[in-house]
Amino acid sequence: DTGVSQNPRHKITKRGQNVTFRCDPISEHNRLYWYRQTLGQGPEFLTYFQNEAQLEKSRLLSDRFSAERPKGSFSTLEIQRTEQGDSAMYLCASSSHRGLAGGPRETQYFGPGTRLLVL
Amino acid sequence: KNEVEQSPQNLTAQEGEFITINCSYSVGISALHWLQQHPGGGIVSLFMLSSGKKKHGRLIATINIQEKHSSLHITASHPRDSAVYICAHQGAQKLVFGQGTRLTINP
Repeated sequence: DTGVSQNPRHKITKRGQNVTFRCDPISEHNRLYWYRQTLGQGPEFLTYFQNEAQLEKSRLLSDRFSAERPKGSFSTLEIQRTEQGDSAMYLCASSSHRGLAGGPRETQYFGPGTRLLVL
Repeated sequence: KNEVEQSPQNLTAQEGEFITINCSYSVGISALHWLQQHPGGGIVSLFMLSSGKKKHGRLIATINIQEKHSSLHITASHPRDSAVYICAHQGAQKLVFGQGTRLTINP
């Protein structure tokens, strides 16, 4: 257990439905990342937050995807009008960034993931 | 071409063998990560390195910045080492992952 939790762990939905996933990072971590992993592939970056600010979004994050981290603690990732191609493992990670420009990179701690299946 | 390439994609070995997994990357980086993923999805960070070599138990990670190449070695491999091993480079903030190497250690 890394200290990062994700809920639900599994989600099966029908095409066209909306789904929302939650990530609770390690409490003192100010950075939170979302990644997506399809079968047999490495994870791909979706977006990340520093505190409540969303600082970068991948072009993979279409208009149907939205992520929030309203109080700089937990984060939600919502997918609207799900498509079968959205089926994947959605991974959350958190880290503690010390704000040093060009400074050492920090270890990211991953949650167990939410596995989404869109029928 | 992916920014991070791993080889081999699959590796099967007998218990006790010395294991090497390779990772090549094509861009400048500030850190190179090795991670382990077990069935069910959980990812654990093994190493983060920007130069030289690090060792933790039976695991050793090396990096050659000039050649943009890193290796993960496992000595005296054990069936519990069976997992997917992923390397990832970190430029600014996010991680960019390789496709992973599926390692199976048979007793």
